[in-house]
Amino acid sequence: KQEVTQIPAALSVPEGENLVLNCSFTDSAIYNLQWFRQDPGKGLTSLLLIQSSQREQTSGRLNASLDKSSGRSTLYIAASQPGDSATYLCAVKVGSSNTGKLIFGQGTTLQVKP
Amino acid sequence: DAGVIQSPRHEVTEMGQEVTLRCKPISGHNSLFWYRQTMMRGLELLIYFNNNVPIDDSGMPEDRFSAKMPNASFSTLKIQPSEPRDSAVYFCASTKGQGDPPQHFGDGTRLSIL
Repeated sequence: KQEVTQIPAALSVPEGENLVLNCSFTDSAIYNLQWFRQDPGKGLTSLLLIQSSQREQTSGRLNASLDKSSGRSTLYIAASQPGDSATYLCAVKVGSSNTGKLIFGQGTTLQVKP
Repeated sequence: DAGVIQSPRHEVTEMGQEVTLRCKPISGHNSLFWYRQTMMRGLELLIYFNNNVPIDDSGMPEDRFSAKMPNASFSTLKIQPSEPRDSAVYFCASTKGQGDPPQHFGDGTRLSIL
């Protein structure tokens, strides 16, 4: 059974710091891995998606990497800002492209202090 | 462009009552997902539909839960009878096409069963 773990559960940093969020999964048979952001009282917003054949994806100050063989992914946030404060969830897609489903980690709650 | 719309936003009811959660996906999207989020278990997929047909309902906790999608623009998740352990935030998400388009989430229904 696929399990997704995120460490740490919570993180507090001063504004401007670069930071790394970690995600690990137990079964390397994934279709892709996605990182989401969740603001309080809101749904999830997709940030980055890495296909199983890819190593990384970048969007602005965000960079996500994937090492499928070791079952790990990281989300790197450069020059953090107070607006980055949110919960970040990673999810792996198992099954096929059309009928697979997402298995989520518990999330890392990030606070960026001004 | 309206996003995924869920109603009600909050629901408080007594155990034993029937609860109906509603979701309107983004127009043109052909896949719809129901998730449940709790502190203990995180975000879990309950059921998802493709072209109004249920594809995977293995996440539905028990027979008290049922979901329908009578047409492409509307879905319901029903709990009957409700129990205190059903208290959670329920999210609906939709996406379009095949492959790996991002899922668009609604803001959720916060359900409290007393």
